[in-house]
Amino acid sequence: ETGVTQTPRHLVMGMTNKKSLKCEQHLGHNAMYWYKQSAKKPLELMFVYSLEERVENNSVPSRFSPECPNSSHLFLHLHTLQPEDSALYLCASSQEGDFRSYNEQFFGPGTRLTVL
Amino acid sequence: AQSVTQLDSQVPVFEEAPVELRCNYSSSVSVYLFWYVQYPNQGLQLLLKYLSGSTLVKGINGFEAEFNKSQTSFHLRKPSVHISDTAEYFCAVNFGVDSSYKLIFGSGTRLLVRP
Repeated sequence: ETGVTQTPRHLVMGMTNKKSLKCEQHLGHNAMYWYKQSAKKPLELMFVYSLEERVENNSVPSRFSPECPNSSHLFLHLHTLQPEDSALYLCASSQEGDFRSYNEQFFGPGTRLTVL
Repeated sequence: AQSVTQLDSQVPVFEEAPVELRCNYSSSVSVYLFWYVQYPNQGLQLLLKYLSGSTLVKGINGFEAEFNKSQTSFHLRKPSVHISDTAEYFCAVNFGVDSSYKLIFGSGTRLLVRP
């Protein structure tokens, strides 16, 4: 595997289900990101982890819960979602120094989530 | 507030014609600029980037962009497009030291190449 991988690629879930999205980066990076991409809207940054610590949480509802067990893996745990949460969820990674980097981000293919 | 503007939500163009996709950003002391492309059902792929040096940057697939500091713009161009260039294009900006790791994305421009 190379680059950034995401599983599953597609997910359909009911509002009462619990599911998790997985992201893995094979680039040796130390920062990882979750973005939400909805139709007709700009990319929304949800969470940022640097050196396995959460450094940003952009007012994301608590029904989304991130987890970063190590610098290569990032999860997004989903619980009691709403239909408006249906979107493409993108994971990205980058190499950060002391946060003063140019932040070229490398993206995974995304998980297309549909909430019924 | 820091912002990135892509005024054109969709740009239709005929195959082999030239195209320019516009990107403007809010003024800042230092900026680092990126263009990403997203093909259907895929993630974002880096097309090109400006970090420093020459203001004309060449990227993959024949695309280029020019950094214009006075106009706070970073427009993407290609002299002759192909059907396969049909995709969504995103401009993104790192506003430098004060913004650390964050990339601000524009809302995207859908390039539609017609035969």
